[in-house]
Amino acid sequence: QQQVKQSPQSLIVQKGGISIINCAYENTAFDYFPWYQQFPGKGPALLIAIRPDVSEKKEGRFTISFNKSAKQFSLHIMDSQPGDSATYFCAASMPNAGGTSYGKLTFGQGTILTVHP
Amino acid sequence: DGGITQSPKYLFRKEGQNVTLSCEQNLNHDAMYWYRQDPGQGLRLIYYSQIVNDFQKGDIAEGYSVSREKKESFPLTVTSAQKNPTAFYLCASSRRQGGDTQYFGPGTRLTVL
Repeated sequence: QQQVKQSPQSLIVQKGGISIINCAYENTAFDYFPWYQQFPGKGPALLIAIRPDVSEKKEGRFTISFNKSAKQFSLHIMDSQPGDSATYFCAASMPNAGGTSYGKLTFGQGTILTVHP
Repeated sequence: DGGITQSPKYLFRKEGQNVTLSCEQNLNHDAMYWYRQDPGQGLRLIYYSQIVNDFQKGDIAEGYSVSREKKESFPLTVTSAQKNPTAFYLCASSRRQGGDTQYFGPGTRLTVL
């Protein structure tokens, strides 16, 4: 129930194309869904995040689509660029026992995105 | 500069030796976390701490130990009991209230020979 399943494991896209990465979860207590971007040899950095009260969030070329009933969420990268080549992780968290809004993140397995020029 | 620092960036140790990885943050965050990253397995939580002098086991705590004596420091010891210690180790921190966003350090790559 704590798992977050991410697909595909790797993705190759041409410059200017759309990259789509999908994640699915089981635990309905999750209430925060971030996406992290990681370049080789570096720590992950928050890219964009969403809560279940909205179905879509857009920041520049990056969009999260959220389907609460299906327990799925996805990252769309529009006009993909070679500089977007990185590993992308979805994650999910729920409020901790004390009810505060921070909690443990459960990560998906990661998607290695390669954008060809 | 505010952020999270981890040292060293690369670490080599002989099998059977304990080794301690450093993590320091100057973000005034209450919560700190240690993750292990292996190829194809994402990030797995080792230990986390929500406040000084308190910490909890994550999903893969066996063979690891931590301490949280200061708010800004959360060192991780990889003991000889950890059967497969070679990995990329990441430290993160977050605020306590409204602190869903975790900020990561640059990581330490540990290789056990």
